[in-house]
Amino acid sequence: KAGVTQTPRYLIKTRGQQVTLSCSPISGHRSVSWYQQTPGQGLQFLFEYFSETQRNKGNFPGRFSGRQFSNSRSEMNVSTLELGDSALYLCASSLGGGVVRYNEQFFGPGTRLTVL
Amino acid sequence: AQKITQTQPGMFVQEKEAVTLDCTYDTSDQSYGLFWYKQPSSGEMIFLIYQGSYDEQNATEGRYSLNFQKARKSANLVISASQLGDSAMYFCAIRGVDTGRRALTFGSGTRLQVQP
Repeated sequence: KAGVTQTPRYLIKTRGQQVTLSCSPISGHRSVSWYQQTPGQGLQFLFEYFSETQRNKGNFPGRFSGRQFSNSRSEMNVSTLELGDSALYLCASSLGGGVVRYNEQFFGPGTRLTVL
Repeated sequence: AQKITQTQPGMFVQEKEAVTLDCTYDTSDQSYGLFWYKQPSSGEMIFLIYQGSYDEQNATEGRYSLNFQKARKSANLVISASQLGDSAMYFCAIRGVDTGRRALTFGSGTRLQVQP
C-alpha cells in the first residue's frame, strides 16, 4: 500500500505570495491532518479534514486554510506569506474513526517551504 | 489542554546499549493515547509505538518498549540494543479520543545520537 505523498517537496516563495501544498493520503484513509514544524515553535497542529469537512482547527491565523476533496486528497493554502511561515509542513492521514489506537496517523515526507 | 514535556534535548548512547527517552504529559482527558515518533534528518515522522491510557500492560514493538506510569503521567521510550540507524529526533505525542481533541500534541523532542 502506498504511503502518504506530499507535493512539492521543496518550495521557495517570497513575502506576500501565496502557496498551495498538496497531500495524498493512504488509500482508504478519510482523515488528513496538517502540522507545521519550525525550530522555534516545534510541531504545531494546523487543521484536520474528514470527509471533506474541517473537523478540527489549531491556533493559526486565517491566512492558513485547507480543503479536502472527495477522494480524500487535501490541499493547504497559505496566503500573504510571511518570513515566519518558513517551515516543514507535514501531512498525516488516518482512518478517522473513533478508536484512538486504530487511528494512528501516518505522516508524509513533508514540504519544506522557504519564504524569502 | 494537553501538554507533553521532553526534558532531554539531546542524548548520546553507545551502539548496542539501551537508552531511555523521557516523556511526561498532562491532560484532562480520561481516555487518551500516547505515541512515540522518530524523525530522521529526511523529515518524515515514523510511528514507533502506541500506549492507550487504559492499557494495563506496557506496549512493546520490537526493540522499542514504552514504560507507562499513569499515576506519574510518564511514558518513557526504551530502545534496546541501539543501532547507528537509531540516530534521529524522537517525539512523544498525546491524542484524545473526542472528535475535537484528536490532533496530536507533540513535545519538543529529543535528539538521539548513537555512537559506534
